[in-house]
Amino acid sequence: AQTVTQSQPEMSVQEAETVTLSCTYDTSESDYYLFWYKQPPSRQMILVIRQEAYKQQNATENRFSVNFQKAAKSFSLKISDSQLGDAAMYFCAYRGVIYNQGGKLIFGQGTELSVKP
Amino acid sequence: DADVTQTPRNRITKTGKRIMLECSQTKGHDRMYWYRQDPGLGLRLIYYSFDVKDINKGEISDGYSVSRQAQAKFSLSLESAIPNQTALYFCATSDFKEEKGKAFFGQGTRLTVV
Repeated sequence: AQTVTQSQPEMSVQEAETVTLSCTYDTSESDYYLFWYKQPPSRQMILVIRQEAYKQQNATENRFSVNFQKAAKSFSLKISDSQLGDAAMYFCAYRGVIYNQGGKLIFGQGTELSVKP
Repeated sequence: DADVTQTPRNRITKTGKRIMLECSQTKGHDRMYWYRQDPGLGLRLIYYSFDVKDINKGEISDGYSVSRQAQAKFSLSLESAIPNQTALYFCATSDFKEEKGKAFFGQGTRLTVV
């Protein structure tokens, strides 16, 4: 079975600085998706960034980028120029591509990010 | 209007009561999911549905049941609520072929069992 682990329950960053959130996963599959979701106090689940495992190039969305290391099964999120609005809970998630798996997401435990002004 | 709508947003109920959480979607997606979020545990899958006739248990289905009344509606029931079912519950949808694996989440239901 696939697992996702986030070993940093809490992280803190100074406004305008850069922070990296860690995520490792375990799977025997060769193709899959990886995601980072942001959950602000509003409880909404917001997709931050998505990586397709067959793509070697790391995904980037504005100030958010990932370091995808497929062999090491590592998927870290880098937030550059941190803003107060980045403060939230961040979840790493895995999704297989096999039809019968149902498209279900497997989540890590979450990392609570605080941003200091 | 939201693509995925959950009702209620917040609910306090007593131990032993039956409660239903409802979810409806306008995305037209075939797949729907119920997840439970607990501090330090992330989100865990309770049930998921491929379509109206295909419902599957997830990681933590004990104590829960679901009903897929239509493609757009997927409800979660707690037949006899207990305090350790106090959690944040999310409904989500996805389409296997489209959106490259992206799931769409409702706003969540905060359930407290006293």
